[in-house]
Amino acid sequence: ETGVTQSPTHLIKTRGQQVTLRCSSQSGHNTVSWYQQALGQGPQFIFQYYREEENGRGNFPPRFSGLQFPNYSSELNVNALELDDSALYLCASSWGGGLTEAKNIQYFGAGTRLSVL
Amino acid sequence: QQQVKQSPQSLIVQKGGISIINCAYENTAFDYFPWYQQFPGKGPALLIAIRPDVSEKKEGRFTISFNKSAKQFSLHIMDSQPGDSATYFCAAPRLSTGTYKYIFGTGTRLKVLA
Repeated sequence: ETGVTQSPTHLIKTRGQQVTLRCSSQSGHNTVSWYQQALGQGPQFIFQYYREEENGRGNFPPRFSGLQFPNYSSELNVNALELDDSALYLCASSWGGGLTEAKNIQYFGAGTRLSVL
Repeated sequence: QQQVKQSPQSLIVQKGGISIINCAYENTAFDYFPWYQQFPGKGPALLIAIRPDVSEKKEGRFTISFNKSAKQFSLHIMDSQPGDSATYFCAAPRLSTGTYKYIFGTGTRLKVLA
């Protein structure tokens, strides 16, 4: 077990709805990255939060947004859900020691399976 | 968009055999290169990781070989077991503003026959 917990485990929504996914990072980690994993594909980077600020974003539209809280837990929000948003959403935490430290290995949670109907 | 090219897409190995998965990356940051193992319905679990200033790292039956000049790294699973049947992902670090993010390969589905 990595100590990274995600909730809920499964979620079913309809097109146009909004969803919030939650992640608790591993103790001692201050960086949370979110990924979208479609069936049979590798994880695709959505964005990363480092010390409560967005710190890098992948090729995802603005309707994907997030937050990081003082305890380093994080939320992923998706507005105006589309059918193609159906995927496993993964949260990964790491110790963002900055550019001088090679300690940025990421540890994943079990994911939230989102189905959009 | 930087890519990490992973091969093969799928692999079938007899029990006791050696499984080899390869990855090639483009420009990257100086940080660990990890391999993840993922079972159906689960999140990726860190298997083994290597620093780019090391050419090989071994942990039990798992070995990473790193060729910095060729921008390639590979995972070797010795004495493959049916319990190793899973999807394996490599990842390469990419410098982002202030810290790092990872670019993942497309995955290799390994099946070890009993």
